[in-house]
Amino acid sequence: EPEVTQTPSHQVTQMGQEVILRCVPISNHLYFYWYRQILGQKVEFLVSFYNNEISEKSEIFDDQFSVERPDGSNFTLKIRSTKLEDSAMYFCASRVVPQGAMGDTQYFGPGTRLTVL
Amino acid sequence: AQKITQTQPGMFVQEKEAVTLDCTYDTSDPSYGLFWYKQPSSGEMIFLIYQGSYDQQNATEGRYSLNFQKARKSANLVISASQLGDSAMYFCAMREDNQGGKLIFGQGTELSVKP
Repeated sequence: EPEVTQTPSHQVTQMGQEVILRCVPISNHLYFYWYRQILGQKVEFLVSFYNNEISEKSEIFDDQFSVERPDGSNFTLKIRSTKLEDSAMYFCASRVVPQGAMGDTQYFGPGTRLTVL
Repeated sequence: AQKITQTQPGMFVQEKEAVTLDCTYDTSDPSYGLFWYKQPSSGEMIFLIYQGSYDQQNATEGRYSLNFQKARKSANLVISASQLGDSAMYFCAMREDNQGGKLIFGQGTELSVKP
């Protein structure tokens, strides 16, 4: 069964360093998302991406964040200068175009746990 | 105002019994989708069940069913015949059609299944 994959599973970095989180969405999906979950809290939307451009972003997604689809399979989230408060689990998700119930569902990857020291 | 409210931070259920996890939502969009995800201690988010706002019948997926009461804006998850492996965090989420497809999550309910 196709699934969303994410690498690395755990990333430890020093404050101020750049990190790139990688995702491979399900191959026929066209909408891509990043969410984050600070430990013990709810999942929060960061950004959505469709047709090679950002379609929506949240207040959290400031100038320190960027997303890219560098090729036909990868979808990346870059944090330019990490802060302590960026420590969280980052989830990538994808879905097909909305064609009924199954097209509406976002499938999540296993997450990347980012720890900023 | 909270868009998705899960009022039960923690729930206990005896193995093999049924349990209902509550979720209420708030939207003025007539078209929306409601989702439940399971997050075990390993951290991944597992899709369980979906209900569209125009669906006439309550969604079911195996032991999971969604008790959709549109007038009350509630979308409770019912797990029948609980198993030890059901112990996890459960999140209710909503997608509003006028908001570009993003999911808005509730705070979650931690379910513990007792043997």
